[in-house]
Amino acid sequence: EIVLTQSPGTLSLSPGERATLSCRASQSVSSSYLAWYQQKPGQAPRLLIYGASSRATGIPDRFSGSGSGTDFTLTISRLEPEDFAVYYCQQYGSSPATFGQGTKLEIK
Amino acid sequence: QVQLQESGPGLVKPSQTLSLTCTVSGGSISSGGYYWSWIRQHPGKGLEWIGYIYYSGSTYYNPSLKSRVTISVDTSKNQFSLKLSSVTAADTAVYYCARGVGYGERYFDYWGQGTLVTVSS
Repeated sequence: EIVLTQSPGTLSLSPGERATLSCRASQSVSSSYLAWYQQKPGQAPRLLIYGASSRATGIPDRFSGSGSGTDFTLTISRLEPEDFAVYYCQQYGSSPATFGQGTKLEIK
Repeated sequence: QVQLQESGPGLVKPSQTLSLTCTVSGGSISSGGYYWSWIRQHPGKGLEWIGYIYYSGSTYYNPSLKSRVTISVDTSKNQFSLKLSSVTAADTAVYYCARGVGYGERYFDYWGQGTLVTVSS
């Protein structure tokens, strides 16, 4: 199965700053079938990005995804207070679908 | 707006079978095009895809759990269910039902709120 490694484990930033989160796959993710989710404490994950770069319905345009092959990035252009959460990547190009271990985005 | 809601016992004894049901509202399972999924999250950890079912009854399971998992669908009730047999403490987790969409092994656009299942005697 494809192992996804997210970095950094924790990212400490201030509101208004730019966040760059990385997701690296142990082998190429076919067709850029990679998604990003946001999870807040006590809540279910929320879909942000699919197909590596397509925003899900209702997701603000400060969230953007990029990458292909084995290296993918989620960028939040200007952090809002509600963006501090844990972010997970997921590949769905190979069976079984797998998730990264998460990056915690915390307020500095 | 599609909504999913998990239900079932919050406590299961070791070696027994964990049983959960997901009730879907705001959309019909029978309409097709979606893969109705179970995903779990161990306490403080990441996410693990368990499996999914299509409205026709076709199922796809994670190989790591395949020998113990059964997912079924009841289109008349707009529900799908998870059974996980021979549970141990390692199966303690928050269990989510979700709607799988897209191509490949699917990504998940709607999720239930999750239900914590603890395996303990």
